[in-house]
Amino acid sequence: DGGITQSPKYLFRKEGQNVTLSCEQNLNHDAMYWYRQDPGQGLRLIYYSQIVNDFQKGDIAEGYSVSREKKESFPLTVTSAQKNPTAFYLCASSPLAGRGRMRPYEQYFGPGTRLTVT
Amino acid sequence: QKEVEQNSGPLSVPEGAIASLNCTYSDRVSQSFFWYRQYSGKSPELIMSIYSNGDKEDGRFTAQLNKASQYVSLLIRDSQPSDSATYLCAVNMLSDSFQKLVFGTGTRLLVSP
Repeated sequence: DGGITQSPKYLFRKEGQNVTLSCEQNLNHDAMYWYRQDPGQGLRLIYYSQIVNDFQKGDIAEGYSVSREKKESFPLTVTSAQKNPTAFYLCASSPLAGRGRMRPYEQYFGPGTRLTVT
Repeated sequence: QKEVEQNSGPLSVPEGAIASLNCTYSDRVSQSFFWYRQYSGKSPELIMSIYSNGDKEDGRFTAQLNKASQYVSLLIRDSQPSDSATYLCAVNMLSDSFQKLVFGTGTRLLVSP
């Protein structure tokens, strides 16, 4: 089955600790994204990557870091510099325009990781 | 002005009725529009994509797009209690040579038995 997996589902950390959230996809999508969702707010883009070994900051990248060493994987590190890290984190992937029959820009989401920092 | 606007709701409809969800967007050159369904505590699920003006039907769902009015809607026919969820509208917009999806904050739909 093709899809996106995120782990863990729930994560609890103490303030001041860095934490890494996992995201893996086997959809053969080029692009991957990280969003955070807070209650009553829309999805906000943290980082995105369109190709291996390249990634760009989204709208709220401060306090986060990512890597894209493999096409299938796009882990997100929430650092101690992130002032309000408690949130629901969503990873997504999509094909890019012009790639075969896949619809461009359709993003598919993983199940999410709910991070609580106390 | 928000880039993608939705009424937060809740929109309450009885079972069997038609639910109409609306979305407006600010970027006139946007070409791709999406509706996602998000159940409480879960991740968004893509349910409809629309790229051309007019209607697109898929089962009980119909997406309607009017680019001149910068308006996209989702109709759910024969609404079921299982349709109760938050519906997110997403629009692709060009930002720093990157086509990103901008999401509305969602409309909460409640379907009562």
